Amino acid sequence: EAGVTQFPSHSVIEKGQTVTLRCDPISGHDNLYWYRRVMGKEIKFLLHFVKESKQDESGMPNNRFLAERTGGTYSTLKVQPAELEDSGVYFCASSQERWAGVSYNEQFFGPGTRLTVL
Amino acid sequence: AQTVTQSQPEMSVQEAETVTLSCTYDTSESDYYLFWYKQPPSRQMILVIRQEAYKQQNATENRFSVNFQKAAKSFSLKISDSQLGDAAMYFCAYKSSEWNSQGGSEKLVFGKGMKLTVNP
Repeated sequence: EAGVTQFPSHSVIEKGQTVTLRCDPISGHDNLYWYRRVMGKEIKFLLHFVKESKQDESGMPNNRFLAERTGGTYSTLKVQPAELEDSGVYFCASSQERWAGVSYNEQFFGPGTRLTVL
Repeated sequence: AQTVTQSQPEMSVQEAETVTLSCTYDTSESDYYLFWYKQPPSRQMILVIRQEAYKQQNATENRFSVNFQKAAKSFSLKISDSQLGDAAMYFCAYKSSEWNSQGGSEKLVFGKGMKLTVNP
């Protein structure tokens, strides 16, 4: 079974440009999460999709970030315009539906996209 | 809001020896999950071990075990018989077990991580 995949693995852009990150969850996983780790700091939650709906977007830093999950499959995270403080590693994770007969649904992580804003 | 603290940014251990990674957390909830995740260099983060707060028994997974002290809000990871493949970043994480009819949040709250080096 394929794991969570993310593209690109690394992106270097200049301040003010736009970048779009993509995440493909494990097939059949309704839940999709975005997290971010700024260098030397905690991995922080950004948002959570259940299928195509945003369940929790409390961690989104500002309106320069736009996440979508059209059709409930893959998701994109667009940063426009990028700022220096957006640099970091963006992780995506996915998990099964909450009521899939288990008390806890493990989140499976992708390898991350390292974003560098110059 | 919940917080997770990993106070040691780096540790090293000799191959075949035992090492303990520390983690403390803060929460007002009584029921929750705690995790240790491992991220090897240039690879995906994977779940090492999970502990449910309502369980008094410490979780164990082969060479990995935890010391869960609920009253002290402490959750340390012990790696026995360390192997070269254990070298990685280790993250401690918390998740609320609360759930409501609208679904609730499944977000993980992470610590800063700790880099473990295993020396041959």
